[in-house]
Amino acid sequence: EDQVTQSPEALRLQEGESSSLNCSYTVSGLRGLFWYRQDPGKGPEFLFTLYSAGEEKEKERLKATLTKKESFLHITAPKPEDSATYLCAVQAMRDYKLSFGAGTTVTVRA
Amino acid sequence: DSGVTQTPKHLITATGQRVTLRCSPRSGDLSVYWYQQSLDQGLQFLIQYYNGEERAKGNILERFSAQQFPDLHSELNLSSLELGDSALYFCASSPPSGGSTDTQYFGPGTRLTVL
Repeated sequence: EDQVTQSPEALRLQEGESSSLNCSYTVSGLRGLFWYRQDPGKGPEFLFTLYSAGEEKEKERLKATLTKKESFLHITAPKPEDSATYLCAVQAMRDYKLSFGAGTTVTVRA
Repeated sequence: DSGVTQTPKHLITATGQRVTLRCSPRSGDLSVYWYQQSLDQGLQFLIQYYNGEERAKGNILERFSAQQFPDLHSELNLSSLELGDSALYFCASSPPSGGSTDTQYFGPGTRLTVL
């Protein structure tokens, strides 16, 4: 069964204080690894898809990287509006369902 | 706005009752996925439909069923409701399968409260 573990569970940052979130995964044949952002009571918002080890993608203050066993989401110089829960999910070759981790809740203080 | 719509936004009902949740996918998307998000379980895949046919099933209870109609909207039916069914239910859609990953775009969700 596919497994996704995210750490830390929660992260409190000062505005401008860069940090990284970790997503460790076990999947039989990775089709893709996804990062989503979720605000309280809202639906997950798509951020990135990573397909193969060594791949990197950037969007504003966020940068996602992928290795064979884990992915990192780097937040550079975060702002209070970056406060959210960040979800990691894997999709296996055998089907298209997403298996999600529990998420990392990021709080950025001004 | 992802382009995926879900109704209703909130639903409050009693144990033993039956409810129907509705989802309209993004224009052009053929796949619809249903997920349940509870505090203790996180986001869990329930079921996938592709162009009207069931494609994959997750840990969906026998009391739950779904279907996708010819206009591609989907409904999730929950019956004999229990307190533990209280959760956020999300629908997601993705473009026609092309062999690579298909990014799923999520709707705003339906919050179900069973009293």
